[in-house]
Amino acid sequence: SQQGEEDPQALSIQEGENATMNCSYKTSINNLQWYRQNSGRGLVHLILIRSNEREKHSGRLRVTLDTSKKSSSLLITASRAADTASYFCATAPPAASKLTFGTGTRLQVTL
Amino acid sequence: NAGVTQTPKFRVLKTGQSMTLLCAQDMNHEYMYWYRQDPGMGLRLIHYSVGEGTTAKGEVPDGYNVSRLKKQNFLLGLESAAPSQTSVYFCASMSGNYEQYFGPGTRLTVT
Repeated sequence: SQQGEEDPQALSIQEGENATMNCSYKTSINNLQWYRQNSGRGLVHLILIRSNEREKHSGRLRVTLDTSKKSSSLLITASRAADTASYFCATAPPAASKLTFGTGTRLQVTL
Repeated sequence: NAGVTQTPKFRVLKTGQSMTLLCAQDMNHEYMYWYRQDPGMGLRLIHYSVGEGTTAKGEVPDGYNVSRLKKQNFLLGLESAAPSQTSVYFCASMSGNYEQYFGPGTRLTVT
C-alpha cells in the first residue's frame, strides 16, 4: 500500500506562478523526500527533510514537514516551463533502509 | 561516473518466458532497490538489498527473484512472465545520506 498520498493529483499553472504540492503519510518516519520525474525518465532526488526538521530550502524549493499532522508540502516558487514533471514524495521508516512512494502530482507549467 | 545504469531499456516477452534485468552502479553504494511503476501509480518496491550477498522482499515481490553477487550489480529475474508484470522497472541505489539515485528504467511488455 502507498504510504504517501499527494494532493493535488494534477496541477496546471502559468510560468512565474508558485506551485504547491502536499503529501500525507500514515506512520512514523525517519525522513521525507521529494523526487521529480520527467516523462519517460528515472526519478531525480530534489530535497530531504528529517523528522526533526520543520522547514528546508533549496534554491526555488521550500519543503515543510508537520509530523503531528503527518504531512509535508513542496513549494516551487517562480515556476518555469522546465519544471513540468511529476513530483513524488517518499517516506523512510525509522530504520531508513527503504522508501515508500506516493502516487505523485503531475505539474504542468505553461508559458 | 555513469551513476545507475539498467539493461535492457526495452523488452517484449511472451507469457511464460523468463528474463533478467541488470542494474549496475558505480557509486559504491551499499543499498540497492528494484521498483515497478504502473500508470497513475507511484513506485512500488519489489526487492531490495542492504549489501553484497543480501536480499529482502519489498511490497510486491511475488513472481520476481533477485541476486546481489557483487556490490555494484543487482539483478532482477522473472522466471515465468505474466501480463500483470507489464510495467516500467526502475533500479536505484542509496547513498549514505539516504538519497536514492535512479536508473533510466526498463520498459517491459508481456504479451
